[in-house]
Amino acid sequence: DTEVTQTPKHLVMGMTNKKSLKCEQHMGHRAMYWYKQKAKKPPELMFVYSYEKLSINESVPSRFSPECPNSSLLNLHLHALQPEDSALYLCASSQVGGNIGYTFGSGTRLTVV
Amino acid sequence: SQELEQSPQSLIVQEGKNLTINCTSSKTLYGLYWYKQKYGEGLIFLMMLQKGGEEKSHEKITAKLDEKKQQSSLHITASQPSHAGIYLCGAKTDSWGKFQFGAGTQVVVTP
Repeated sequence: DTEVTQTPKHLVMGMTNKKSLKCEQHMGHRAMYWYKQKAKKPPELMFVYSYEKLSINESVPSRFSPECPNSSLLNLHLHALQPEDSALYLCASSQVGGNIGYTFGSGTRLTVV
Repeated sequence: SQELEQSPQSLIVQEGKNLTINCTSSKTLYGLYWYKQKYGEGLIFLMMLQKGGEEKSHEKITAKLDEKKQQSSLHITASQPSHAGIYLCGAKTDSWGKFQFGAGTQVVVTP
């Protein structure tokens, strides 16, 4: 298995809702990442987990809450989002240090209404 | 701050013609990656370069990393409609693994 699977592919949520994005990989990668991509912009790093521990938080608002319950799973919990949070959310994984390569998922297209 | 400069921003090329995209950093790169993205979709890994002077090819796409490991180019030979999309370079700019992207190059292939 050489894929990163993200679910759901599309999500529409209200500003008072609580939802979660899910990311799964079975490549034995011990580093996992969340990126946010706005239209016509490159992906921007949000969080990095290494060995299931949060190692980088790029000053992301607390309405985004990451969780790494095991080495194969990465979640992003969403609460009280704003319309400007609408974007494509990409998950990636790699060996720790990223010396072999980063594999990206297809993303979740999030729309906040 | 944007540490990877990618050029051009967009490119319109006639089918069958060649094209080149450049990616430049002011810092030594610990690994340079090329990805392709269709609008609104995930990233497709193309190639990774690590060693100075390294060159890799896959089908009609060739990527090179210069000796100083600060500049890379992606060259597509005899472009086809399937080559249309957004090409992103990405790199680790520190040994820790933090990964950043260039701004992307939109490629349009016309008949």
